[in-house]
Amino acid sequence: AQSVTQLDSQVPVFEEAPVELRCNYSSSVSVYLFWYVQYPNQGLQLLLKYLSGSTLVKGINGFEAEFNKSQTSFHLRKPSVHISDTAEYFCAVMTTDSWGKFQFGAGTQVVVTP
Amino acid sequence: GAGVSQSPRYKVAKRGQDVALRCDPISGHVSLFWYQQALGQGPEFLTYFQNEAQLDKSGLPSDRFFAERPEGSVSTLKIQRTQQEDSAVYLCASRPRRGSYEQYFGPGTRLTVT
Repeated sequence: AQSVTQLDSQVPVFEEAPVELRCNYSSSVSVYLFWYVQYPNQGLQLLLKYLSGSTLVKGINGFEAEFNKSQTSFHLRKPSVHISDTAEYFCAVMTTDSWGKFQFGAGTQVVVTP
Repeated sequence: GAGVSQSPRYKVAKRGQDVALRCDPISGHVSLFWYQQALGQGPEFLTYFQNEAQLDKSGLPSDRFFAERPEGSVSTLKIQRTQQEDSAVYLCASRPRRGSYEQYFGPGTRLTVT
């Protein structure tokens, strides 16, 4: 069995400041890791994914994440946020032995203020 | 191109009523997933189809829930005798083929059981 923990339920941040959203996982098998964003009343949109290779992955909208196998973490970062980054962010794990179903964390609400 | 669509977007049902939620995946996508997202939570896996075959229904919470995808495209999630705890957003996602990893999500159906 696997689990995904997003350590912060809400992160307030000022516009143009950096932000880091933390995600830790546990799994007895190899995993693929994803970050999705959900804007109000919309479905989830993929920000980035880690499948293999370089542990630093870059995604859309200036986001990046670093896979740390020893710490079983996949933290998401953005060096300078915009008001439009206000949304809910979900970390997701897919095990390599499954049909490809995701297990999601509980989400982190990012609120960007001027 | 068209993304994943879901209908209705909002559904209010009285306790005990049956409901049917529809998902139109991206044309040609082989895999289809249903997730349930309770308020303030991350999505939770319900069931998975590969073409018309339902290969995993381990996440369906009770025998009141069932899903079908008879022709390998459109899918319907049916909930019989709705209960208040069924209130949630139901998300559908599709994926091009089993070897790919990204799931494309629809906007969801918000079900409120009164």
